[in-house]
Amino acid sequence: AQTVTQSQPEMSVQEAETVTLSCTYDTSENNYYLFWYKQPPSRQMILVIRQEAYKQQNATENRFSVNFQKAAKSFSLKISDSQLGDTAMYFCAFMKHGVNAGNNRKLIWGLGTSLAVNP
Amino acid sequence: DGGITQSPKYLFRKEGQNVTLSCEQNLNHDAMYWYRQDPGQGLRLIYYSQIVNDFQKGDIAEGYSVSREKKESFPLTVTSAQKNPTAFYLCASRRDTYYEQYFGPGTRLTVT
Repeated sequence: AQTVTQSQPEMSVQEAETVTLSCTYDTSENNYYLFWYKQPPSRQMILVIRQEAYKQQNATENRFSVNFQKAAKSFSLKISDSQLGDTAMYFCAFMKHGVNAGNNRKLIWGLGTSLAVNP
Repeated sequence: DGGITQSPKYLFRKEGQNVTLSCEQNLNHDAMYWYRQDPGQGLRLIYYSQIVNDFQKGDIAEGYSVSREKKESFPLTVTSAQKNPTAFYLCASRRDTYYEQYFGPGTRLTVT
């Protein structure tokens, strides 16, 4: 079974600085997707970035980028130029690739990292 | 404006009563999901549906029921059999052949 581990329950960063959130996962699959979701105090879950395992290039979305290390099963999120609005819970999630019996494209979630951006 | 709506945002019920949480989407997505979120436990999948009139149990389906009579709607009923119903409930949807799930704003259910 797949598992996702976020080893940092809480982190803080000063506004305008860079912070990296860690995520490791365990799977025997070769093809899969990885996601970072953000949940601000409003509790709306927002997709931040996704990575396809078959792509070697790390995904980037504006100030958010990932460091995907497939062999190490590591998927960290880097937030550059942190802003107060980045204060949120960040969840890492895993999904098997492809449609087959019983796959249903379930997301396997980590427990989250609470990030505080300080002024 | 396309999106997922959940209503109400806050819901209060007495123990022993069934309660139905609404989830509607106008994104034309095929798959819909219900998650429960408790402090320190992340998200846990309750039920999911890939097409109309079909749904499957997730990891914690006991005490819950769903229906999928329309593509746009996936209501969740929390029955009196659910031992600890107080939680934050999130609905999500996904377009077929894509992998991202998009979430509604959630409903906070409190049962006393």
